[in-house]
Amino acid sequence: GENVEQHPSTLSVQEGDSAVIKCTYSDSASNYFPWYKQELGKGPQLIIDIRSNVGEKKDQRIAVTLNKTAKHFSLHITETQPEDSAVYFCAATYNNNDMRFGAGTRLTVKP
Amino acid sequence: NAGVTQTPKFQVLKTGQSMTLQCAQDMNHNSMYWYRQDPGMGLRLIYYSASEGTTDKGEVPNGYNVSRLNKREFSLRLESAAPSQTSVYFCASSERAGQGTGELFFGEGSRLTVL
Repeated sequence: GENVEQHPSTLSVQEGDSAVIKCTYSDSASNYFPWYKQELGKGPQLIIDIRSNVGEKKDQRIAVTLNKTAKHFSLHITETQPEDSAVYFCAATYNNNDMRFGAGTRLTVKP
Repeated sequence: NAGVTQTPKFQVLKTGQSMTLQCAQDMNHNSMYWYRQDPGMGLRLIYYSASEGTTDKGEVPNGYNVSRLNKREFSLRLESAAPSQTSVYFCASSERAGQGTGELFFGEGSRLTVL
């Protein structure tokens, strides 16, 4: 089955700096890679996703890159703001329904 | 916009007691899911229902049962709670069948403590 490793587990940045979170996956057949943001006391919410036929996707200050050869994908947040503080989860999906989540990264943006 | 609603939000049980977590979605989604979230382990799928009338095991189904009552509602039952089931439980739904077919919409979670 799929195994997803996520690093770092905690990340602290100054407001305005960039933040990068990396995930690696084990199953080369995985084809869908979403990122979810979880604020305190809330359920996870999708912020961006990418499919295996695309190398990069951007949405305003958020971007995701995928390296299929190395089997890793990354979330990039630019010009961070205090409201970006949350726990971020990556996931990798095999065969449309076998999705495994990373352990999460707690991002703190200091004003 | 209610989205996915879970009840109760908090519950404390004694070992051996039973309880049911309720979940309802108002987005007319076909598929529904139950996850548990434990520190340092991300989200793990317990059971899912691809469509009304069907249910299937996920990654960690032992000790749980589910019922897809209708298209809107999907309940999770613990028949004999154990301390290892202390966790935060999330219900989610998606428009199409399969976790990887698109966005999952999550409820706000139910925090369960088993003493």
